[in-house]
Amino acid sequence: GESVGLHLPTLSVQEGDNSIINCAYSNSASDYFIWYKQESGKGPQFIIDIRSNMDKRQGQRVTVLLNKTVKHLSLQIAATQPGDSAVYFCAESHTGGFKTIFGAGTRLFVKA
Amino acid sequence: NAGVMQNPRHLVRRRGQEARLRCSPMKGHSHVYWYRQLPEEGLKFMVYLQKENIIDESGMPKERFSAEFPKEGPSILRIQQVVRGDSAAYFCASSPRPETDTQYFGPGTRLTVL
Repeated sequence: GESVGLHLPTLSVQEGDNSIINCAYSNSASDYFIWYKQESGKGPQFIIDIRSNMDKRQGQRVTVLLNKTVKHLSLQIAATQPGDSAVYFCAESHTGGFKTIFGAGTRLFVKA
Repeated sequence: NAGVMQNPRHLVRRRGQEARLRCSPMKGHSHVYWYRQLPEEGLKFMVYLQKENIIDESGMPKERFSAEFPKEGPSILRIQQVVRGDSAAYFCASSPRPETDTQYFGPGTRLTVL
């Protein structure tokens, strides 16, 4: 079935280092991908998105890379800060669709 | 501009009671989505509604669960005769247009069934 999965359930990085969170998707019809950040006790917060006609998109300290050949998505966080500690979800959908499929999440720990 | 609002934030019910979860979308958003999240898991789509219409309820259990988004007022997710397995966090999201796809989430309602 359709699924969005994450390679690493937990990731621990040193403050100031760069973080890379990976995600695999299986639905070739998906053309819209989103990364969300969820802090404890809060709802998911939109971070960055990318459409399938792009390979890379940059935001403030974050970059999303999309490799359609291998159906892989990654989120890069530059100069990781303690405030980045959270669970990160990748999600997929398709244009005009409304059923966003979420992965299981990766917990990011930032060590001071 | 207020974000998506959900209430109550925490809800405790005994088995067999009814749970009513409310969601007010962001101003200008007419599309509402409900998701369920179990501890240490991702969000599972339940239902997508527009004003007065259910567009997709493929993620909703066939029994005991219902949702509505009336012309006036918040969207309601109703769970009848709750069981312990209904304990979870329920998140509502809204968007201005479905084709925009970016959904903005509320803080969630954490339902505990005793």
